[in-house]
Amino acid sequence: NAGVTQTPKFRVLKTGQSMTLLCAQDMNHEYMYWYRQDPGMGLRLIHYSVGEGTTAKGEVPDGYNVSRLKKQNFLLGLESAAPSQTSVYFCASSSPGLALNEQFFGPGTRLTVL
Amino acid sequence: RKEVEQDPGPFNVPEGATVAFNCTYSNSASQSFFWYRQDCRKEPKLLMSVYSSGNEDGRFTAQLNRASQYISLLIRDSKLSDSATYLCVVTPQVGSSNTGKLIFGQGTTLQVKP
Repeated sequence: NAGVTQTPKFRVLKTGQSMTLLCAQDMNHEYMYWYRQDPGMGLRLIHYSVGEGTTAKGEVPDGYNVSRLKKQNFLLGLESAAPSQTSVYFCASSSPGLALNEQFFGPGTRLTVL
Repeated sequence: RKEVEQDPGPFNVPEGATVAFNCTYSNSASQSFFWYRQDCRKEPKLLMSVYSSGNEDGRFTAQLNRASQYISLLIRDSKLSDSATYLCVVTPQVGSSNTGKLIFGQGTTLQVKP
């Protein structure tokens, strides 16, 4: 099992450009999450999904959109990138069947917006 | 006030030392508590859960004080391989089990030196 994978690993964008980050999990988890991690800020939840076809806003959703068309995939879109969106983005998944609410994370995507 | 607060450190300790990290949380309705570990430029991974009765896993001991809304992690006989950032994590509220959401502290950095 690959667990949680993220594509791409690194990306540099210019202000105003758009891009989509892909997260895939092969653990048949119901729940998926997108976080951003900035120095001194910890992990902050952007959007999450509790099942295929459903999404919800997290703590910092502005400037991002998401889609969960397939259970195993969770896409994060930036329509018009801004320098404030320079960050490390982590995807995670979990399942209501897991005893400890454990979330499994992907390796992260390092995004720089110039 | 942040929902989960930690001293960011860094804590610089020699091999073999005992080190303790503390964390406070603001929502008295939080139900579950965890410590995650994050190595440099890697994704977070679950280290252990935290119970009111305290729990121990080898050299690691976690403790919860609900009255003071305080969580601790004690590492005995520190190893070089313990160098990492330790994230204090709580579930946000009653009923979060149907979303699996977690709230992360900013992390405490530990550097164990030879």
